[in-house]
Amino acid sequence: SQQGEEDPQALSIQEGENATMNCSYKTSINNLQWYRQNSGRGLVHLILIRSNEREKHSGRLRVTLDTSKKSSSLLITASRAADTASYFCATDAVGTSYDKVIFGPGTSLSVIP
Amino acid sequence: NAGVTQTPKFQVLKTGQSMTLQCAQDMNHNSMYWYRQDPGMGLRLIYYSASEGTTDKGEVPNGYNVSRLNKREFSLRLESAAPSQTSVYFCASRAGKPYGYTFGSGTRLTVV
Repeated sequence: SQQGEEDPQALSIQEGENATMNCSYKTSINNLQWYRQNSGRGLVHLILIRSNEREKHSGRLRVTLDTSKKSSSLLITASRAADTASYFCATDAVGTSYDKVIFGPGTSLSVIP
Repeated sequence: NAGVTQTPKFQVLKTGQSMTLQCAQDMNHNSMYWYRQDPGMGLRLIYYSASEGTTDKGEVPNGYNVSRLNKREFSLRLESAAPSQTSVYFCASRAGKPYGYTFGSGTRLTVV
């Protein structure tokens, strides 16, 4: 079963609006990461939030983490057409037998000009 | 530019053929990874190498082998390609556990 799952699977908004994506996971984590993937390209690391942090900002991105609910959200403010991409959360779980993160299936974001 | 370089970008194989996907990073990262990405399934780990000289299986290792040639290079080999291995393959690296991954641009592989 997936450790991390994003919600919604797809999101369509107008340019200038805010976009919120959610990620839920099942086990305790060391950190949670968000990535962006433009069509036909590799994933790009956006932000990492540690399990003892509750909120983190990077430019127009705001990530929150609620370890009691095992959930995270990614907010993109004042969206642009260039933000159109798939967004993935990835969890770095506590106690895994090997050094890896588990990726969710992603949220596809379309920003309409 | 610093980063992860994958070759080739595209490849078409016939069933039963073999090939090696190459990956190199110039960031002095310890850990390197091979993932495959299939529609609706996110990324699944094939093999990883936590440090030079070590390799370990991930979630979907069957049909693949890897070699950590040195700290920079981590190759993925398909010995006898099957249509089920049609996918986009990504190599990634990171400095260690508390850091994010840097991904290559991917290899789109089709097995016919």
